[in-house]
Amino acid sequence: EIVLTQSPGTLSLSPGERATLSCRASQSVSSSYLAWYQQKPGQAPRLLIYGASSRATGIPDRFSGSGSGTDFTLTISRLEPEDFAVYYCQRYGGSQTFGQGTKVEIK
Amino acid sequence: EVQLVQSGAEVKKPGESLKISCKGSRNAFTSYWIGWVRQMPGKGLEWMGIIYPDDSDTRYSPSFQGQVTFSADKSITTAYLQWSSLKASDTAMYYCARHTVPGTDHDAFDIWGQGTMVTVSS
Repeated sequence: EIVLTQSPGTLSLSPGERATLSCRASQSVSSSYLAWYQQKPGQAPRLLIYGASSRATGIPDRFSGSGSGTDFTLTISRLEPEDFAVYYCQRYGGSQTFGQGTKVEIK
Repeated sequence: EVQLVQSGAEVKKPGESLKISCKGSRNAFTSYWIGWVRQMPGKGLEWMGIIYPDDSDTRYSPSFQGQVTFSADKSITTAYLQWSSLKASDTAMYYCARHTVPGTDHDAFDIWGQGTMVTVSS
C-alpha cells in the first residue's frame, strides 16, 4: 500500500506570502493519479489539482501543482485570506489514499 | 446544478445498524463512480471505497472491507453506506464524492456531498 507523507504539518505564513506544500509517496506514483484538495473548517474538501498539475474548474491560477515519481508539490503563489485551510494530497488509481494533511495558518 | 446531497446527522448506540444516503442530480450521478470518505473528529481524510451505481460494482479499501457495505439505486440516483453493527469508533463525518470523469474508477473527486455526521455513543 502506498503511503503519502505531507510536510510540513503546519505552515505559518502571512497573506501575500508564497506557500510550498510537499507530498512524498512511499513508492513511485503515476503523475496522472495525484490530486490536491483544500478543506476549510466545517466544509467538504474541494478539488484543486488533479493529474499532479492540472487545475480543477474554477481554481485560481495562484494554485499550481508539480512533481513526479515520489515527490509532489502544491504551491500557492500569493496567499489570500481565504487560502488559510488544510490541504490534502491524494493518490488515486487502484486503492486510493490521502496524505495526513498540511494546515496553512495565519502567522 | 450538479450536486450530491447527503442525509442528515445520526446519533446511534453501539450495536445498532445504520444506512446513510447520498442523492445526486441525474447529471451528477449517471455513469460516474461514487466514493465514500471518512473523517474522524479532528483527523484527516480516509478513502473507504467506491461504487458504480449503474451496475453496483464496488471497490473497498482493505481497511473498510467487511466493516461497511456500499449499495446504490440508480433509478433514484442514490448511493448508500451502511453498517450492520456500529461501534463507537465509527463516530465520524462521512462524505460521498463523485469521480471527475464518467466511467473511470481511476480518478479524483470533483463533486462532494456536504457530509453526514454519525455519532455512536451509549
